[in-house]
Amino acid sequence: DAGVIQSPRHEVTEMGQEVTLRCKPISGHNSLFWYRQTMMRGLELLIYFNNNVPIDDSGMPEDRFSAKMPNASFSTLKIQPSEPRDSAVYFCASSLKGGLGYEQYFGPGTRLTVT
Amino acid sequence: GDSVTQMEGPVTLSEEAFLTINCTYTATGYPSLFWYVQYPGEGLQLLLKATKADDKGSNKGFEATYRKETTSFHLEKGSVQVSDSAVYFCALITGGGNKLTFGTGTQLKVEL
Repeated sequence: DAGVIQSPRHEVTEMGQEVTLRCKPISGHNSLFWYRQTMMRGLELLIYFNNNVPIDDSGMPEDRFSAKMPNASFSTLKIQPSEPRDSAVYFCASSLKGGLGYEQYFGPGTRLTVT
Repeated sequence: GDSVTQMEGPVTLSEEAFLTINCTYTATGYPSLFWYVQYPGEGLQLLLKATKADDKGSNKGFEATYRKETTSFHLEKGSVQVSDSAVYFCALITGGGNKLTFGTGTQLKVEL
């Protein structure tokens, strides 16, 4: 299995531009999570989906952020317009929901730099 | 709400030293407990887990025991290696949910 795939791995953009991060979860997994990691705030859960439906988006910082999961094999996180404080590493993770003790598998992350 | 508290880092050890990273939690119900590891430039990986009280999770020489009475899940390794240098995250899940609650992470540096 290829694991969770994220693209791009690195993104450098100017303030005000739209940024789209992409994630392909592990085949067969039915839950998908978007996280943000910074030195200041650590690891934050932004939003997660079960069976392609957004369950909890309370971690999305503001309306500039949006996430979609049009099907079981693809999700996007969009920032429009981007700001320098959005610079961070964004991780996607997937899991198979059901019972306790199951594992979330993380992708390699997208390092976003907004100048 | 649920929360996880880890000891602050960085923790710096010499190779072959004994490692303990403390983790305590607050949760409703009976959580499952996890340790994740993040190597430089990579995403998080599950290191070990325990799903009920007194369970011991172990992997790659690391161990942690689920202590309900002290609400703790301390990570230990008898002899660390330079390759263990990473950030370690304690986490939990409660009830029927699938949302992980993470601690802030503890950076471990192992020197020759």
